[in-house]
Amino acid sequence: DIQLTQSPSFLSASVGDTVTITCRASQDISSYLAWYQQKPGKAPKLLIHAASTLQSGVPSRFSGSGSGTEFTLTISSLQPEDFASYFCQQVNGRLTFGGGTKVEI
Amino acid sequence: QVQLVQSGAEARKPGASVKVSCKVSGNILTLMSIHWVRQAPGKGLEWMGGIDPEDGEPIYPQNFQGRVSMTEDTSTDTAYLEVSSLTSDDTAVYYCAPNLSPIRGLYWFDPWGQGTLVTVSS
Repeated sequence: DIQLTQSPSFLSASVGDTVTITCRASQDISSYLAWYQQKPGKAPKLLIHAASTLQSGVPSRFSGSGSGTEFTLTISSLQPEDFASYFCQQVNGRLTFGGGTKVEI
Repeated sequence: QVQLVQSGAEARKPGASVKVSCKVSGNILTLMSIHWVRQAPGKGLEWMGGIDPEDGEPIYPQNFQGRVSMTEDTSTDTAYLEVSSLTSDDTAVYYCAPNLSPIRGLYWFDPWGQGTLVTVSS
């Protein structure tokens, strides 16, 4: 199975900051990566698919980049509603998720 | 906007089975490929499998084969997940979600059901 390693596991930030989360794959997955946001007690919400394609309705302050084995999720000008956990997912074949990054105030 | 509404929390003893339902709004279940993902308390997400839209057959990762069953009732627009031989490791929130990818073999999910907590304890 393809392993996805996210870093950092926890991130402290302030409103207005720009934050970057990294997801590294154990082997080349091309652009086959998605990102989700999850708030406490809620279901995940799709933010980005195909590594960099923003899901409809997701604010443009979210962006994704990368290919191969290294990917990033960037949140520009962090808003209060962005404090949540974020997960990456490789989307091809036997699906796996990263361990998650919690963005805290 | 499609909505997925799941059944309520369940408690089971080790060795038992549980069946979770996921009702899809809008009479569009036949247009969807529903997948299931679970999340143990305080842990990450684990894909359990889903329905292949090409042939309507379920696809399961190896670690769940033989222990999970995914079915659909199109007359009620409801998808079901059944897990048997439960252990405490199966304690988790179980989510259903449709595959949004238009490309066969690629899977990303949105929106998700609200989740169903299954607790396994003696």
